[in-house]
Amino acid sequence: EIQLQESGPGLVKPSQSLSLTCSVTGYTITSGYDWSWIRKFPGNKMEWMGYISYSGSTNYNPSLKSRISITRDTSKNQFFLQLNSVTTEDTATYYCARYLRIRGVMDAWGQGASVTVSS
Amino acid sequence: DVVMTQTPVSLSLAIGQPASISCKSSQSLLGTSGKTFLNWILQRPGQSPKRLIYQVSKLYSEVPDRFSGSGSETEFTLKISRVEAEDLGVYYCWQGTHFPFTFGSGTKLEIK
Repeated sequence: EIQLQESGPGLVKPSQSLSLTCSVTGYTITSGYDWSWIRKFPGNKMEWMGYISYSGSTNYNPSLKSRISITRDTSKNQFFLQLNSVTTEDTATYYCARYLRIRGVMDAWGQGASVTVSS
Repeated sequence: DVVMTQTPVSLSLAIGQPASISCKSSQSLLGTSGKTFLNWILQRPGQSPKRLIYQVSKLYSEVPDRFSGSGSETEFTLKISRVEAEDLGVYYCWQGTHFPFTFGSGTKLEIK
């Protein structure tokens, strides 16, 4: 059974970078799915941030394109989110998820990592 | 971006009552593959989102058959034939046809 687990600092200062890790067990991230980051803001709004494909290519939400980077470490079966120049508006719960392109689904989600941007 | 408009914002229903949630998209979700990538997920309190329905009407194997999805092009509906206690939470539709993927604003289901 696949499991995804987010980890990283829960508090980030404005103007700094937010960095999160998604550790995947039960499935190899190079095996054919893509790997997404999604965030949920206070008040329920959800935003898809981007994904890294099984081959290592990336696709980002244009609203974040200048600030976001998704990378991976295949030896650790992990992928990463970096969001630069954060503001208080980036305060959210961040989820990683497995995405299957041919079905258009995100079928497995992590538990989420709450990140607060505050000085 | 495709705007997903979800109604109602909240529902308060007794166990055994039916539920219906509407999701409308600002453009057709029928893709060039001939498939419509409209999904429904449920986030229970304190939990991560869970998959419910994909491609408008296909239930994941673990989802009870009291759930159903329907619709096409720009108008979609999630129905629960008889609400049970475990169905409480926030339901979201989201589309995977057009980049960037976008979500509805959520419908909170409360149990009376």
